[in-house]
Amino acid sequence: ETVLTQSPATLSLSPGERATLSCRAGQSVGTYLAWYQQKPGQAPRLLIYDASDRATGIPARFSGSGSGTHFTLTISSLEPEDFAIYYCQQQNTFGQGTKLEIK
Amino acid sequence: QVQLQESGPRLVKPSQTLSLTCTVSGGSLTSGTYYWSWIRQPAGKGLEWIGRVYPTGGTNYSPSLKSRLAISVDTSRNQFSLRLSSVTAADTAIYYCARNDPYCGGDCSSFDLWGRGTLVTVSS
Repeated sequence: ETVLTQSPATLSLSPGERATLSCRAGQSVGTYLAWYQQKPGQAPRLLIYDASDRATGIPARFSGSGSGTHFTLTISSLEPEDFAIYYCQQQNTFGQGTKLEIK
Repeated sequence: QVQLQESGPRLVKPSQTLSLTCTVSGGSLTSGTYYWSWIRQPAGKGLEWIGRVYPTGGTNYSPSLKSRLAISVDTSRNQFSLRLSSVTAADTAIYYCARNDPYCGGDCSSFDLWGRGTLVTVSS
């Protein structure tokens, strides 16, 4: 089972800024990595799959990149509704999450 | 559009069995190449995959829960179910059902559709 390590644990930014979240895999997973957004009281929502493909209805400000063991989720210009917890996932494993909070 | 809804008792006594059902509406559980998972999240913590079931009835379980777990599918009712036995307070969590999309056609999948989740508390 692949271990996923996300960093940072918490990221404090202001609306309009660029957010860069990292996910490192304990072994190569090719491009088989997904990203989710979870807001309080809600189920997670799929943002990105196959490392860089946006899920249906996801705004273009969300982008994913990477392959092998290092992956990045980028939010180009933060909107107020983007402040949430973000998880990466590979098969049956989730990272521990990055909390994106308003500075 | 396809929607998932969890149902079942919200309070379970220690040592008893937790039982939940996920109903798939707006589409067939057997359509496409999808399969179906349970995921849980203790309060304030991260996501833990519990197990999955294929429309054929085949299953895969988390090694840490395997000895207490059974997941089944009822295609006639468009439902799949979770049974977790010998529960303790550590099993208190929000339980989600979710759809697996094997987007590469092989050893990969994302959870592209989720139920709203149901909080199950283990307490006497």
